Amino acid sequence: EIVMTQSPATLSVSPGERATLSCRASQSVSINLAWYQQKPGQAPRLLIYHTSTRATGIPARFSGSGSGTEFTLTISSLQSEDSAVYYCQQYNNWPPWTFGQGTKVEIK
Amino acid sequence: QVQLQESGPGLVKPSQTLSLTCTVSGGSISSAFYYWSWIRQPAGRGLEWIGRIYIGGGTNYNPSLKSRVTISVDTSKNHFSLRLSSVSAADTAVYFCAGTLAQGIIDFWGQGTQVTVSS
Repeated sequence: EIVMTQSPATLSVSPGERATLSCRASQSVSINLAWYQQKPGQAPRLLIYHTSTRATGIPARFSGSGSGTEFTLTISSLQSEDSAVYYCQQYNNWPPWTFGQGTKVEIK
Repeated sequence: QVQLQESGPGLVKPSQTLSLTCTVSGGSISSAFYYWSWIRQPAGRGLEWIGRIYIGGGTNYNPSLKSRVTISVDTSKNHFSLRLSSVSAADTAVYFCAGTLAQGIIDFWGQGTQVTVSS
């Protein structure tokens, strides 16, 4: 099973500033990585897939990069509505597809 | 727009079987584009993939749960179901159903349903 490790656990960022979230895989997942956003009491929502492709309706301030074992989600100019927990997920190796433990983004 | 809704008991006794159903609306469960998955999230923790089913293509389960899990589909009712046997407190979680693309990208989710295992 591929273990996904996210850092930091919590990120506190001022509105308008950049937020950078990291995700590391225990072995290569190529570019088969997705990011999801989860707000309290809600289901997760797909943000990015194939490392860098934004899902339908996702604002351009969200971007992804990386390959192999190191990945980054960047929120270029943090908005108040971006306060959430963000999960990475690898879908390169089954079974099973696996998730990171999440990074909580707080508005400073 | 496809929507998913989980339903089932919110409380299950230890050693019994957890049974949930996910009803698909706004689209057909027989769609060739989607695998239908179950994912769970214990309180304050991350996400765990339970398994998936593809119409006409069978099922795949997380090895850590495989001996206890069954996912099935009823195309006449446009829903799919999860059964998890011999539950314990460790199975207490919010259970989500989801529509996933073949590669494993989770395209859309149900709202989730809390299941507590307790006597």
